[in-house]
Order: sequence, then structure tokens, then C-alpha cells
Amino acid sequence: EPEVTQTPSHQVTQMGQEVILRCVPISNHLYFYWYRQILGQKVEFLVSFYNNEISEKSEIFDDQFSVERPDGSNFTLKIRSTKLEDSAMYFCASSEGAGKETQYFGPGTRLLVF
Amino acid sequence: SQKIEQNSEALNIQEGKTATLTCNYTNYSPAYLQWYRQDPGRGPVFLLLIRENEKEKRKERLKVTFDTTLKQSLFHITASQPADSATYLCALRGGATNKLIFGTGTLLAVQP
Repeated sequence: EPEVTQTPSHQVTQMGQEVILRCVPISNHLYFYWYRQILGQKVEFLVSFYNNEISEKSEIFDDQFSVERPDGSNFTLKIRSTKLEDSAMYFCASSEGAGKETQYFGPGTRLLVF
Repeated sequence: SQKIEQNSEALNIQEGKTATLTCNYTNYSPAYLQWYRQDPGRGPVFLLLIRENEKEKRKERLKVTFDTTLKQSLFHITASQPADSATYLCALRGGATNKLIFGTGTLLAVQP
């Protein structure tokens, strides 16, 4: 069964450094998302992406964040200058669109900023 | 503001019994409601989706109900097994948006 994959599974970085989290959505899906989950808290929406542009973003998704679909299979989340409070699990998700609304999530990248 | 509430305390049940989890929401009119399972350190796994015009959905041992008047969804697992032990997340989505709004989840523990 097709799955969303994410790399790396864990990332440790120093405050102020840039990180890029990578995702390969399910191949025929058209909508892509990033969510995050701070330890012990709920899953929170960051951004959705469709047709090579951001379709929606939350107030968390400020200028430090950016997303890109550099080729036909990858979808990335970049954090330019990480802060301690960016430490969280980051989940990529994708959905088929066109009336098929279910979002399928990847296994996540655990980001630790020190 | 929009609020989604799930049973905050863990739900402990005996193997073979039916587990019932609750999701209540306020200040929101979702077009879709989805239930996910999440194991520790893992991503949410999709279980069931129910639309605002549907009352009930079933899939194998799982059943979801959706009452837009009460603003509540119930999630049932019949003949529960220890392998069903996990956190179950309720997520809502409006009609004009793709973003999911998640509840905090309910931890289910099925005792053998």
C-alpha cells in the first residue's frame, strides 16, 4: 500500500541553524501538508500546498518557514533559523483531492533544537 | 474560537468489550470529521471519515457516528483487543479549507 515517507527520522540542530525536512507524498496525490506536534500536545496545522503554491497557512507558519516541491516527488519544509520552541515532531501528509479528502500522514521527523 | 474536546483521561477497558470514545466540538461547523490512531512516536494513521450529511459509518470492528446538532462524534471499537491500545485522535475539517483541526486525543488501554 502506498505510504508517505519522511527523512530524516530524527534531526538534532543548534539554535539559529537551518534545517530541511523532506517528504515523499503518495504518488498520485495533489495536496500536500505539514503539521507539527510538540511533545504532549495536539497535532497542529502548519501549511497546505497545491498546484505549486501555498493554499493555506497557519499563524505558526511565519517567515522562518518555507515549503517547496523541488521535483515531481519531493516536498520539503525549511526552517531558516531554528528556535528552541521549534522542537517538535513534524508530519507531512498528502491527499488525493477532487472529492477524496482523507489526509494520509507520514511517520514524522523528530526535530530537537538545542 | 474553535474548540475540540476528547476524553482527557485514559480509557481502560477489558479485552472483548466495546470501547466508546467521544469528540465534542464548539464554534465550528465541520464538513468532515476524521478519526486517526496514533502510537507513541509515530504519525497519525487514518481510520474513518464521516461527512456532515452522514449519521454513521462502519469499517470492520469500527463505527463512527456524527451528530451535528449535538456537535459530537462517537467512535466505537467492538470486540476490543490489546492491539487496539493507542491514542485516538478526532480531526475536523471545514468545507472551504483543507486544514485539519485536531483534538488532544484519548488514550485507550485494552487489558487482556
